[in-house]
Amino acid sequence: DAGVTQSPTHLIKTRGQQVTLRCSPKSGHDTVSWYQQALGQGPQFIFQYYEEEERQRGNFPDRFSGHQFPNYSSELNVNALLLGDSALYLCASSGTANYGYTFGSGTRLTVV
Amino acid sequence: RKEVEQDPGPFNVPEGATVAFNCTYSNSASQSFFWYRQDCRKEPKLLMSVYSSGNEDGRFTAQLNRASQYISLLIRDSKLSDSATYLCVVKNSGGYQKVTFGTGTKLQVIP
Repeated sequence: DAGVTQSPTHLIKTRGQQVTLRCSPKSGHDTVSWYQQALGQGPQFIFQYYEEEERQRGNFPDRFSGHQFPNYSSELNVNALLLGDSALYLCASSGTANYGYTFGSGTRLTVV
Repeated sequence: RKEVEQDPGPFNVPEGATVAFNCTYSNSASQSFFWYRQDCRKEPKLLMSVYSSGNEDGRFTAQLNRASQYISLLIRDSKLSDSATYLCVVKNSGGYQKVTFGTGTKLQVIP
């Protein structure tokens, strides 16, 4: 049973560029949440997708957008990258009877 | 005030010691509570849920105090492999059940 898979694992981008991160949830999970974790900080909630709609959002600018597909996989898009966007981006999936979250191993984004 | 607050540590303890972490939360409507463990440069992994009556899993004991709005994690007989960051997680009630992480408490178990 595959857990949560994220791609790519590492990414280096230049300021001003755009990036797309991908996530496949754990089998049986239908909800995907995205988190940003800066070095030495706890994960910060970006947004959550359920039934292909964003159903709640954290305190992140509109440069951060996402999408969920019919197979429950999800993408996180970040436009006009800033140096401060450098972080570990974590995807977490959960089910309707959700308890805690299952996290993917993350995408480490470096903006230079 | 942060929604979920933890002492960042680090806590440096010798092998075999008992160590306790506390976490406070600000939303009295919070519904579910968890402890996650995160190893360096890895993703967080669920350690245990926290129940109102308190619960134990081997060397780990979690407690919840709703009146004072804090949860705790006790680790007995610390092992070197317990060295990690421990994240307190709170899930609020309501339709979308917002999940909030603390900044984490770093534990280093010393030989």
